[in-house]
Amino acid sequence: DSGVTQTPKHLITATGQRVTLRCSPRSGDLSVYWYQQSLDQGLQFLIQYYNGEERAKGNILERFSAQQFPDLHSELNLSSLELGDSALYFCASTQSQAGVNTGELFFGEGSRLTVL
Amino acid sequence: KNEVEQSPQNLTAQEGEFITINCSYSVGISALHWLQQHPGGGIVSLFMLSSGKKKHGRLIATINIQEKHSSLHITASHPRDSAVYICAAHTGNQFYFGTGTSLTVIP
Repeated sequence: DSGVTQTPKHLITATGQRVTLRCSPRSGDLSVYWYQQSLDQGLQFLIQYYNGEERAKGNILERFSAQQFPDLHSELNLSSLELGDSALYFCASTQSQAGVNTGELFFGEGSRLTVL
Repeated sequence: KNEVEQSPQNLTAQEGEFITINCSYSVGISALHWLQQHPGGGIVSLFMLSSGKKKHGRLIATINIQEKHSSLHITASHPRDSAVYICAAHTGNQFYFGTGTSLTVIP
């Protein structure tokens, strides 16, 4: 058990819909990262939050947004869903912010999104 | 061109064999991560490296910053090591992932 909790574990929805994925980091970890893993693209970095603020942005679509709340949990919002958004979405947490001494990543079990 | 290249893509080994997975990257990194993903999908971080060598049980990871190359070694491989191994280069504000090495260890 990594200590990182993601909900829901599975989600099936239709094209055009909007979903919210939730991540609770390990106790004491201030950084949350979101990743997408699809069959054709592999693992991709989406976005990082540190102590409530956006710190780094990867290949995140404009239809997607995220935030980190004062209690440090994070949510990834996916809207106007397309078939190609079907993927595993992982979050990971670490104590460190970024830079030279990045911390070890602790991954949640992932949220599997299926868009029909 | 991919920023991170892994080899081999697939690897089958007999139990007990010594295994090496290679990772080359083209970006400047703050850290190199080795990840393990089992068939169920969960991802576990094995190592985070910024220099030198780390060892954890039967797993050893090395990195050569000048050559931009890292290796993951598994000594005395076991069927429970069967998984996909992924290297990830962290630049400080971006992650670049390899496509993974699928390892199958046969009893």
